[in-house]
Amino acid sequence: AQSVTQLGSHVSVSEGALVLLRCNYSSSVPPYLFWYVQYPNQGLQLLLKYTTGATLVKGINGFEAEFKKSETSFHLTKPSAHMSDAAEYFCAVRYSSASKIIFGSGTRLSIRP
Amino acid sequence: NAGVTQTPKFQVLKTGQSMTLQCAQDMNHEYMSWYRQDPGMGLRLIHYSVGAGITDQGEVPNGYNVSRSTTEDFPLRLLSAAPSQTSVYFCASSYGDRGSTGELFFGEGSRLTVL
Repeated sequence: AQSVTQLGSHVSVSEGALVLLRCNYSSSVPPYLFWYVQYPNQGLQLLLKYTTGATLVKGINGFEAEFKKSETSFHLTKPSAHMSDAAEYFCAVRYSSASKIIFGSGTRLSIRP
Repeated sequence: NAGVTQTPKFQVLKTGQSMTLQCAQDMNHEYMSWYRQDPGMGLRLIHYSVGAGITDQGEVPNGYNVSRSTTEDFPLRLLSAAPSQTSVYFCASSYGDRGSTGELFFGEGSRLTVL
């Protein structure tokens, strides 16, 4: 069955520190992978996506993620955290452009001054 | 562009009442879906549709009905509301053809409270 696991429901980092949010998916077939961000009291917006091709993908606001097929992972990183990065982040998987999309349980990112 | 429009934004119901959450998109997306968001549980898929006349169940379909009579609209019906259905509901749509990347476009959400 299609599933997505996000390790850590809450991650706290200092401003300027590395951000690492973890995502693993279950599949033997490479899926489409997405990271979405949700700011307080708002809807979700796309941060970045992997479909085919280059395994390191860059998104908005300095975030990037690397698709690692051998590890079935799609971890999200940002070299230097900013206070404005505080939000909830969701990893999602889709197995074709027309199939259902399943989300992980989310990781809340807090930034310490 | 209006994008994905959900109504109402807020609703309070009593147990046993019925209601419909409306969702409309103006992007000619084939794929539409409904999620509920609860603390610590992320977004869980309720129902989805890959085109007009076609719907399917997601992860948590019980207590909800959907229909897709047009490409633009995908209403979610609560037949007999229960306190467990208190949640924030999101409608989302995307292109569904092979040429698309399948990313979702979300509405602003509907906050439902069942007393």
